[in-house]
Amino acid sequence: DQQVKQNSPSLSVQEGRISILNCDYTNSMFDYFLWYKKYPAEGPTFLISISSIKDKNEDGRFTVFLNKSAKHLSLHIVPSQPGDSAVYFCAAISQGGSEKLVFGKGTKLTVNP
Amino acid sequence: DTGVSQNPRHKITKRGQNVTFRCDPISEHNRLYWYRQTLGQGPEFLTYFQNEAQLEKSRLLSDRFSAERPKGSFSTLEIQRTEQGDSAMYLCASSLRRGGPNTGELFFGEGSRLTVL
Repeated sequence: DQQVKQNSPSLSVQEGRISILNCDYTNSMFDYFLWYKKYPAEGPTFLISISSIKDKNEDGRFTVFLNKSAKHLSLHIVPSQPGDSAVYFCAAISQGGSEKLVFGKGTKLTVNP
Repeated sequence: DTGVSQNPRHKITKRGQNVTFRCDPISEHNRLYWYRQTLGQGPEFLTYFQNEAQLEKSRLLSDRFSAERPKGSFSTLEIQRTEQGDSAMYLCASSLRRGGPNTGELFFGEGSRLTVL
């Protein structure tokens, strides 16, 4: 049962344009949603998060939007840079006593110069 | 380097052999996690320690898997009688949390890749 879904395995954008990565979830008990970035041969690194009580969180070029009614979140990267090329994982966690972070399958972003 | 360190980075073994992976978390972090990632999938939770206590285990952690964190510092993950389906990247992560909500922010190591022939 895939509780966190990233339906686009890959995305390609031009440098300077906006990258939009999407994520859907099924568990309404999730309290926090996160995006992790992963370069080849490295572990995932935390990028940005949002609490379920908010609908937007911004950090520099990165903005995460949460639509609870649609159980959907998105990561916007503006402007996109070649160094942003990586696999992006959407993840979620609930406060219901489990420490388990639930990840999507990831979206490979390629930013072309 | 004061990040999460994992060893070995890559292990090739024959089916039926035992393997052990080690994780050294960030020194002041009290929580340590093991995740497994297979090709084309996101990381999947295996187990979690708070200090030396193993507080949560996934059903993915079969009885062939055992994890320890004997002194609340480094951790080991042992897989006995390896199977080809155990081939994966084993990721260790750590965090520091004393109260407050669990926001899911973890510091991951580079992983230990297991190949079972």
